Amino acid sequence: EAEVAQSPRYKITEKSQAVAFWCDPISGHATLYWYRQILGQGPELLVQFQDESVVDDSQLPKDRFSAERLKGVDSTLKIQPAELGDSAMYLCASSPEGAGLVFFGPGTRLTVT
Amino acid sequence: GNSVTQMEGPVTLSEEAFLTINCTYTATGYPSLFWYVQYPGEGLQLLLKATKADDKGSNKGFEATYRKETTSFHLEKGSVQVSDSAVYFCALSDQDGNQFYFGTGTSLTVIP
Repeated sequence: EAEVAQSPRYKITEKSQAVAFWCDPISGHATLYWYRQILGQGPELLVQFQDESVVDDSQLPKDRFSAERLKGVDSTLKIQPAELGDSAMYLCASSPEGAGLVFFGPGTRLTVT
Repeated sequence: GNSVTQMEGPVTLSEEAFLTINCTYTATGYPSLFWYVQYPGEGLQLLLKATKADDKGSNKGFEATYRKETTSFHLEKGSVQVSDSAVYFCALSDQDGNQFYFGTGTSLTVIP
């Protein structure tokens, strides 16, 4: 069964350092999402791609976060510099276009010390 | 705008008890509705879905009915098991199926 892949699964970094997460969506899924989930809360959309184009990044803190999906397949989310408040689970998800269904990866648990 | 409101937890039940987790939504047009489950340390997994009014989604003994008149999609299970302990998220997608909105999650603990 096809799955969304994410790496690393866990990341510990010091504040002010740079950190990057990688996501490989299910093959053929045009839409890719990055969500941030703070402990005890629901997922919050950071950025949504349609193929290689950003369609929604209104909640992405652009002074420190960046995301790219250069070839419309896998994607990287970067934080520079990391802050203590960035500690959270970062979830990648993908969806076939217009399918109204989203599939999540296992997430990357980030701890900023 | 679109939004989802679900009952706050945590919920603690004894094994074989009846479960209800309330979820209401606000949306324009005709959204699809979902319940996702998140086990500790894992990502979200789709539990069930309903795409139009009066549809009933069901999976693993869980059920939810899309009620347009009350804008609700309550999750129910007749007899919970310890293995059902997880966090449950209600969600909706807009009618184009491209944007998703999640509730804040309800933590369920089932004790033997």
